[in-house]
Amino acid sequence: AQRVTQPEKLLSVFKGAPVELKCNYSYSGSPELFWYVQYSRQRLQLLLRHISRESIKGFTADLNKGETSFHLKKPFAQEEDSAMYYCALSSGTSYGKLTFGQGTILTVHP
Amino acid sequence: GAGVSQSPRYKVTKRGQDVALRCDPISGHVSLYWYRQALGQGPEFLTYFNYEAQQDKSGLPNDRFSAERPEGSISTLTIQRTEQRDSAMYRCASSPNTGEQYFGPGTRLTVT
Repeated sequence: AQRVTQPEKLLSVFKGAPVELKCNYSYSGSPELFWYVQYSRQRLQLLLRHISRESIKGFTADLNKGETSFHLKKPFAQEEDSAMYYCALSSGTSYGKLTFGQGTILTVHP
Repeated sequence: GAGVSQSPRYKVTKRGQDVALRCDPISGHVSLYWYRQALGQGPEFLTYFNYEAQQDKSGLPNDRFSAERPEGSISTLTIQRTEQRDSAMYRCASSPNTGEQYFGPGTRLTVT
């Protein structure tokens, strides 16, 4: 069975501080991992996916298969980063369902 | 272009009534997904379609829930004999089969 765990429901940092949102997963095959973000009063949207290896809005995430983790990091948080962040997993073999974590609310204080 | 749209955005219904939630995907997107999200939780998969074929309905909680996408475009999720526990945000997403899913604004269902 697939499972995604985001251990922190709430995370608060000050502007300019580094931020790390944790995500751990369990899956027996080769998963594809995603981070989705929902800003206030907006719809859920893709932030980044591990296969693209891109940095979006200064965020990066590295898939660590040994630790089964896909933590989201940003060296200098901005107030506009305040949002709900979801880590998600798909089986990777076919583009089927996403399994989401519970989400982390990030608040960046001025 | 236009994104995924869902209607209605809000639905309040009495227990025991049937409801139909509509999803209009991005034009040309092959795959369409339905998720349900309870308060404080992440979205949970319900079902998905490739074109008009329902590929996976393993997430539908019971036989009161059904979905269709008859012409491979618009989809309807129907909940029969609604119960209070069905209250949630229902999210639809579509994908051109690249792995990225594009979400609609959701329908907030409240069963009283």
